[in-house]
Amino acid sequence: EVQLVESGGGLVQPGGSLRLSCAASGFTFSSYWMSWVRQAPGKGLEWVANIKQDGSEKYYVDSVKGRFTISRDNAKNSLYLQMNSLRAEDTAVYYCARFIREAFDIWGQGTMVTVSS
Amino acid sequence: QSALTQPASVSGSPGQSITISCTGTSSDVGSYNLVSWYQQHPGKAPKLMIYEVSKRPSGVSNRFSGSKSGNTASLTISGLQAEDEADYYCCSYAGSRVFGGGTKLTVL
Repeated sequence: EVQLVESGGGLVQPGGSLRLSCAASGFTFSSYWMSWVRQAPGKGLEWVANIKQDGSEKYYVDSVKGRFTISRDNAKNSLYLQMNSLRAEDTAVYYCARFIREAFDIWGQGTMVTVSS
Repeated sequence: QSALTQPASVSGSPGQSITISCTGTSSDVGSYNLVSWYQQHPGKAPKLMIYEVSKRPSGVSNRFSGSKSGNTASLTISGLQAEDEADYYCCSYAGSRVFGGGTKLTVL
């Protein structure tokens, strides 16, 4: 079964850091672009970042550039999102998604990140 | 990059057809055949329903179809069923990736 499972969410103070992980199974992880997409409470979806199969290309939404870093470990079938200098507006459910043909075709169940003092 | 524009809500009765619009600009929807649509039930992860404007992933009902004209993409659901009640989001390539604000579909 193709599956993505996120972890690492939680409550963090403004200015703090958090690292999200996404474990992939059921497909050849190293063959796909991967993404992070977030959804603030009661709001719509927002693309956050993409990473190429070998990690050589990374793209970010403007609002997280310089603060978030997407990375992957193909040997561990894992995707990561390092989030620094967190702000209240980063509060959201963060989804890991497989990215193919400019679409997010497989999604994890999401992990909640709350930035609050 | 501004979000794509979707109606906040649409509704229809079982068996009817509805269409959800997704309006962008000549820099996103109008320039690329790279529009996708997602269905999201409350508390659940989104599900891909349409990609590249009109293509359906394996396993998605053929009651769902997509199209595009100019800067506006559309998702049509025919033969509405109660299980179709959900939020729907469009997404387009625009140099970056931009989503619509979402449309709540109510099946009356």
